[in-house]
Amino acid sequence: RKEVEQDPGPFNVPEGATVAFNCTYSNSASQSFFWYRQDCRKEPKLLMSVYSSGNEDGRFTAQLNRASQYISLLIRDSKLSDSATYLCVERNQGGKLIFGQGTELSVKP
Amino acid sequence: EAQVTQNPRYLITVTGKKLTVTCSQNMNHEYMSWYRQDPGLGLRQIYYSMNVEVTDKGDVPEGYKVSRKEKRNFPLILESPSPNQTSLYFCASRDYGGQETQYFGPGTRLLVL
Repeated sequence: RKEVEQDPGPFNVPEGATVAFNCTYSNSASQSFFWYRQDCRKEPKLLMSVYSSGNEDGRFTAQLNRASQYISLLIRDSKLSDSATYLCVERNQGGKLIFGQGTELSVKP
Repeated sequence: EAQVTQNPRYLITVTGKKLTVTCSQNMNHEYMSWYRQDPGLGLRQIYYSMNVEVTDKGDVPEGYKVSRKEKRNFPLILESPSPNQTSLYFCASRDYGGQETQYFGPGTRLLVL
């Protein structure tokens, strides 16, 4: 089983839609989680950290469910510019970042 | 401006011809890493360094070398490249510990013929 698993998609949604991605992780001791965004073959960039209480940044909401070992990313009112690959990232106890394969999102007009 | 730079950005080479991809960061970060990204496999860590003169293997270190003589630089060396090392390579840096952001370089596309 992979350490961090994501549905690769692609998710094709119309502008204005709400879309949610889930990601599961296998190491129950991991403490920190992140979502990174990667535009086509460019470098990944931090979108947001994921806290136990959940956190929101504008149209983006991230949640962590420790009991079920998954994290989620919700994007409301999708924009064309949200089209990208979203990487789920776990930071293990040793400080190593473990990346999921990424979920591709395509927002259409 | 805080950044990680890599050179070259694109490289076509032949099997067995030694090459070096340079990486430099201007944020005084302790922790630096090299990743390769391949379709269907995601980002895999090749080597990492927690500080000057401290390097360690990641998940896919075979065929690669690194060095960390200065805090800002972390070159990736392919002594004898092979076609299976054709990939997109990213260098990254961050402070070690906490919820710190990891910054990536712009990537190096390598084709080994």
